[in-house]
Formats: sequence, C-alpha cells, structure tokens
Amino acid sequence: AQKVTQAQTEISVVEKEDVTLDCVYETRDTTYYLFWYKQPPSGELVFLIRRNSFDEQNEISGRYSWNFQKSTSSFNFTITASQVVDSAVYFCALRDSGGYQKVTFGIGTKLQVIP
Amino acid sequence: DTGVSQDPRHKITKRGQNVTFRCDPISEHNRLYWYRQTLGQGPEFLTYFQNEAQLEKSRLLSDRFSAERPKGSFSTLEIQRTEQGDSAMYLCASSPSTRAYEQYFGPGTRLTVT
Repeated sequence: AQKVTQAQTEISVVEKEDVTLDCVYETRDTTYYLFWYKQPPSGELVFLIRRNSFDEQNEISGRYSWNFQKSTSSFNFTITASQVVDSAVYFCALRDSGGYQKVTFGIGTKLQVIP
Repeated sequence: DTGVSQDPRHKITKRGQNVTFRCDPISEHNRLYWYRQTLGQGPEFLTYFQNEAQLEKSRLLSDRFSAERPKGSFSTLEIQRTEQGDSAMYLCASSPSTRAYEQYFGPGTRLTVT
C-alpha cells in the first residue's frame, strides 16, 4: 500500500520569506514516481514536478526547489522569496509500479503568503 | 493544447437523482483518469482508462458509479441515485502515452447533493 503524508496542513509566511513544504511517503516498490501539484483558489490542479525513485538529484526551477531523499522517504518542496501568487494548496503525490496509473495524493498543505 | 475540459462546472441535484459528467481530455492523450476530491482532502483515485478500456477501478467506485469512454476520446461519469455523501469535486485528468506519469487535470465538476 502506498501512502503520502503532509504533516503541515496550513502555513502562513510573509512575502519574500522562504518556505519548505514537507512530504513523507511510503511504498513497498523500488520503482516509483513522486509529484508535486499546486491547486490555486480557482481549483485547477497544476503539475509542478515529477521525480522518479532512481534519480535523487535535487532540482531547482526558478524560485522552486525540491529535495528528494530516499533514506528518509521525503520529497520536500521549497519556495524561495515567496510571493502572494504562491498562495495555494500544494499536494505531494506518489505513483508506484503496482497497479496501472493510480496516483495517491497527500492531504495537501495550504500556503498563505501575506503581503 | 486546449487543456482538459469538464462539463458542467457545477451541478446541484436532489438526493436520489442521477447525474452525468463529461470530460474531454487533451487531444491525443490516450490515458484518462477520474478522481474525487472532498473539502480539505487530496484527490482520490476513482478509475482509469487507456483508450476505451477501463483498466482500473477503485473500491470507492460503488455500484452506483459508472464511467465510460466509448471511443477512446471523451469520458462520462454517471452517478445513480445520488446521496449527500457524493457531494464533492470530480476531477478528470489525462496523460499521453509517452509521458504517462504526467497527469494534467481539468477544472473539475463540483457536485452538490441536497
């Protein structure tokens, strides 16, 4: 069985602060994929990033960076110099090689960036 | 790409009525998924199609739920004899065969059962 835990349900930061969203996952598979999605107030889920289990290289995209550590089963997401437009619910998700295409989402972390 | 579209965006129905939602995936995406999202929760997988074949169904998909994708393009999700517990956002996503791990979501259909 696969499971994704996002322990932070809500986070508030002041604009320009850095913020890290935590994600811990569980799977029995050795091959799996991890994702982050953003859900702004409009409701549509926006794909941000995918990592596969055999590539632990961290990734940076603009103000976004991701830290994947298999040893701790974590896939954390950092926003640098946060902006009001970053306010949204962020979901971490996992797909393993079992089943066909089922993706298991965490409960989400609601980020509020205060101007 | 015009993105995944869903219709209607909102649906209010009385308990016991049947409802049907439609999803149009991104063109040439052969994989299509349905999810349900309740308030304060992440999306929960319901079912998955590859072309017209329904390959996986969640236990969440009770007998009152049925999904189809007859020509491998658009899909419909029908809920019969709706219950108040069916109130949720129903999300559709699609992915291409070359990057099956990337799912692109539509705006969702918000169902309210009164």
